[in-house]
Amino acid sequence: QVQLQQWGAGLLKPSETLSLTCAVYGGSFSGYYWSWIRQPPGKGLEWIGEINHSGSTNYNPSLKSRVTILVDTSMNQFSLKLSSVTAADTAVYYCARVYSDYTSDWYLAYWGQGTRVTVSS
Amino acid sequence: EIVLTQSPGTLSLSPGERATLSCRASQSVSSRYLAWYQQKLGQTPRLLMYGASSRATGIPDRFSGSGSGTNFTLTIHRLEPEDFAVYYCQQYVSSPRTFGQGTKVEIK
Repeated sequence: QVQLQQWGAGLLKPSETLSLTCAVYGGSFSGYYWSWIRQPPGKGLEWIGEINHSGSTNYNPSLKSRVTILVDTSMNQFSLKLSSVTAADTAVYYCARVYSDYTSDWYLAYWGQGTRVTVSS
Repeated sequence: EIVLTQSPGTLSLSPGERATLSCRASQSVSSRYLAWYQQKLGQTPRLLMYGASSRATGIPDRFSGSGSGTNFTLTIHRLEPEDFAVYYCQQYVSSPRTFGQGTKVEIK
């Protein structure tokens, strides 16, 4: 049974860097893309980006200049860093795993529990 | 970037009725690369459908999906109380793997 457990700071000041980590329990770490998605209060889902076990990344162009997604295969973890945050980055952030990269099934089959991040001075 | 447009924004229905949700893509995503997710209030999104018409594990057969190219439909054949939620489509044929803005199915 695949489980994703995420954590990170929930309150940031403008201009700080958001940092979240997602740990993966159960199953292999390779053969998948590991993703981050966010949801501002009362709004829809926004795909942030993804990384595979070898470090290949895809980012949303709207956030690309501020986003870094890293993977630590030794710890079965991946992380999100978002720099220079503003109030517009206030959201619930989710980590997720695609079903399979080998078969190009890049839909999000497993999700973390979400982390609420508030940016406020 | 592929833009997904969902309609309607809100669907007000009674339990037992049929819900028909639409997702239109700005360019083709074939029938292979379209997923639907359900999100209940305060909960994490849950995968419902993938490949436009395949139900995810544990999803009841009152949910069905169809479509190809740029037009897709999610149908809930007989609404149960637990089906009232927000539904999102997502394309995963290309990056960024965009979501639609969501359709809220609410109790009439």
